[in-house]
Amino acid sequence: GAVVSQHPSWVICKSGTSVKIECRSLDFQATTMFWYRQFPKQSLMLMATSNEGSKATYEQGVEKDKFLINHASLTLSTLTVTSAHPEDSSFYICSAQPLADMKQNTDTQYFGPGTRLTVL
Amino acid sequence: SQQGEEDPQALSIQEGENATMNCSYKTSINNLQWYRQNSGRGLVHLILIRSNEREKHSGRLRVTLDTSKKSSSLLITASRAADTASYFCATGAGSTLGRLYFGRGTQLTVWP
Repeated sequence: GAVVSQHPSWVICKSGTSVKIECRSLDFQATTMFWYRQFPKQSLMLMATSNEGSKATYEQGVEKDKFLINHASLTLSTLTVTSAHPEDSSFYICSAQPLADMKQNTDTQYFGPGTRLTVL
Repeated sequence: SQQGEEDPQALSIQEGENATMNCSYKTSINNLQWYRQNSGRGLVHLILIRSNEREKHSGRLRVTLDTSKKSSSLLITASRAADTASYFCATGAGSTLGRLYFGRGTQLTVWP
């Protein structure tokens, strides 16, 4: 089946530092990946749509200068939390939509295992 | 908001019983999906039902969709302790395929 990995699985950093999270589709190509954040016992909130070879599309209220997204290849998207603060502590989850599925006009996404970010 | 809302927020049952979770949403959709999440983990796709479908089955899962009431239900039959997880509905809509809006989820606990 389609597998999506995230790295790191958890990270603890000091306030003011930047943290990069990687999302990889391991056995399929994905022109589109999505980034979500989830607070404890809360829903997943879509942050942005990451498009290979072009700029990401951010949801309303999400600061694009704060959450930098780069989708450099068909299998890798990165999310960089810049100048992280304690309120950025959250569970960040990415998902990817197989290129083949997109051509068939389906919406199934495959999710990564998530990255737990703790900012001290 | 297009966000789905699950009901109940928490459900506790015994093994062997059926579990029913409901989801309501606010706007027109292309499809509705159900996902499962074990604590602190990623999401696993369970089933997708399109707006022109009314019912779908997958193993012990049965999903219904009523677009007139903007609601969906997920039924897990003969539940097992391993079914313990959070279950989310997500609605897909709009011109960009793949943009999903999730509800708050139902925490299901199945006691052995």
